[in-house]
Parts: sequence; C-alpha cells; structure tokens
Amino acid sequence: SQKIEQNSEALNIQEGKTATLTCNYTNYSPAYLQWYRQDPGRGPVFLLLIRENEKEKRKERLKVTFDTTLKQSLFHITASQPADSATYLCALDIVSNYQLIWGAGTKLIIKP
Amino acid sequence: KAGVTQTPRYLIKTRGQQVTLSCSPISGHRSVSWYQQTPGQGLQFLFEYFSETQRNKGNFPGRFSGRQFSNSRSEMNVSTLELGDSALYLCASSLERANTEAFFGQGTRLTVV
Repeated sequence: SQKIEQNSEALNIQEGKTATLTCNYTNYSPAYLQWYRQDPGRGPVFLLLIRENEKEKRKERLKVTFDTTLKQSLFHITASQPADSATYLCALDIVSNYQLIWGAGTKLIIKP
Repeated sequence: KAGVTQTPRYLIKTRGQQVTLSCSPISGHRSVSWYQQTPGQGLQFLFEYFSETQRNKGNFPGRFSGRQFSNSRSEMNVSTLELGDSALYLCASSLERANTEAFFGQGTRLTVV
C-alpha cells in the first residue's frame, strides 16, 4: 500500500544543535516534495519545496534533501532554537491527482 | 494581503445534524483544497476545487461534499454527522495545485456530541 512515514516519536534536540527529520515514502513517484510547520491549533505553514531533479535546497537555517532512489527526504534545522519547536509535516505533491499526500508529522522539541 | 479565512472557528453539533464550513482563499488563488485532521491521523485529503470544478476527491463517504463559487470561495458540507467526524477541518488555497505552496487557514474545529 502507499505510505508516507515520518518519525512517530517526538524528537528532543538541545538548543544550538542540528535537528534532522526524516520522511520516507513507498509506492509514489512524486514530482515535488514539500515541508510544512504546524503549531498547535493552527494550520500548517509552508517552509520549502524541492523538485525531483533537485538533490538539495536551502533557506536560511533550513535544508532539505530529496533522494528519489531511496524514496526519502531529510529536513535539517541548523543552530536550532526553542522557537523552532513545532510539528513538521512532509507532503508529496502528486501532480496528476491535484493533491498533497501528507505524513503524520514529527513533533520537534528544542530544549534550552 | 489577507490570508485564508475559515469560518466558523469552532462548532459544536449533535449527531445526525448537518454542518457547512466556509473558506475564503487568498485573492487570486483559484485552487482550494480541504483536509480533515485528527490526532495521529495527519491530514486526510477531502477534495480539491479549481475554477468551480472538483478535480479530485479523497476516500470519504458521500456525506462529505463541497463546492466552489465563481469568486473562488468554497464551502464544504457534512450531513448526518457522526461522532467520528469530530476533527479540525483545514482549507488551503494556492495559485495552482501542483508545484506551489499551499496557504492554510486557521481551521474549523468541529465537535460532534
């Protein structure tokens, strides 16, 4: 069956360290992959989009990699801060179906 | 510019009733998608509309329906509410569905009692 997996356990990281979140998928061939941040009681907020022919994309302290052979995307936050604490969602962009397929999200906790 | 507006923010309904939720997308955005979010389930796709046409529908029963108006505003309706319909309903708008970021509203928290 088609599946997207993100770390189900909360990820605890010390402030200043790099947080790395994983998104694995099976049975999809997405043209694009997106990452969002969601705070409690609010809608997700877009962070980064990466295309299948891009290996890596950066935006300020954020970096995303996309390996279509491994069917995996890694999301990195460098120099993490307590304000980065949130749930991070990956979404596969299935162009032909006009929809985003979402992972369940990883809760990231940055400890001061 | 104004973001995505969803109304109402909170709703409490009784089993068997029906409910209509509203979404006003960002000006100029023609694609509107609806999602149901429950703890541990992530975002489940309900449907996507573009220029008043439903282009895709998720695996939800026929009690869930939607529509989009000529001004891109969208509504979703749930009839014969069940306890399991309690969730956060999110609307997202984008210029086009693919290859573009989605802008989400704050959501409507529906509680069915």
